[in-house]
Amino acid sequence: SQKIEQNSEALNIQEGKTATLTCNYTNYSPAYLQWYRQDPGRGPVFLLLIRENEKEKRKERLKVTFDTTLKQSLFHITASQPADSATYLCALRSSGSARQLTFGSGTQLTVLP
Amino acid sequence: GAGVSQSPSNKVTEKGKDVELRCDPISGHTALYWYRQSLGQGLEFLIYFQGNSAPDKSGLPSDRFSAERTGGSVSTLTIQRTQQEDSAVYLCASSSRTEAFFGQGTRLTVV
Repeated sequence: SQKIEQNSEALNIQEGKTATLTCNYTNYSPAYLQWYRQDPGRGPVFLLLIRENEKEKRKERLKVTFDTTLKQSLFHITASQPADSATYLCALRSSGSARQLTFGSGTQLTVLP
Repeated sequence: GAGVSQSPSNKVTEKGKDVELRCDPISGHTALYWYRQSLGQGLEFLIYFQGNSAPDKSGLPSDRFSAERTGGSVSTLTIQRTQQEDSAVYLCASSSRTEAFFGQGTRLTVV
């Protein structure tokens, strides 16, 4: 069956360090993978998209990598700040007939001052 | 409006009653999604509308759940004979191409 797994439910890091979040998937042929941020009581907000033929994408302090052989994406936040504390979700859209956007369960990141 | 609007923001209902949740997507967005999020959990896919195509209903948990999208715009998610396990935040999102824009959600509590 299709599955999207994010590395851990919670991740605590010290301010200034790099946070690395993992998204693994099975039985998908993704057209692209997205990362979203969700704050308590709010809907997710789009951060980055990476396509199946791309290895890496950057946006300010954010970096996403995509390895379709390993079936894994890594999401990095460099020089982390307490304001980066949130839940981060990865999402896949399959390239097949099932076109819905499917989300992982998320990783709750806490950046400690 | 500028974003996806959902109403009501909160709904408390008695077990066994029917509820309707509304989503106003961003104008011009052809894709619309409904998800359910239980406390501390990820997003559970419910249904997906894309243009005039038949909706993908594969995520609806039971036949008590249904959704429609009128005129390719506003969508209504209906839950009949609500149960306590239906308590969750129901999120709607719309998209024109890749990025999905979410509403604030409707928090449904079944008592």
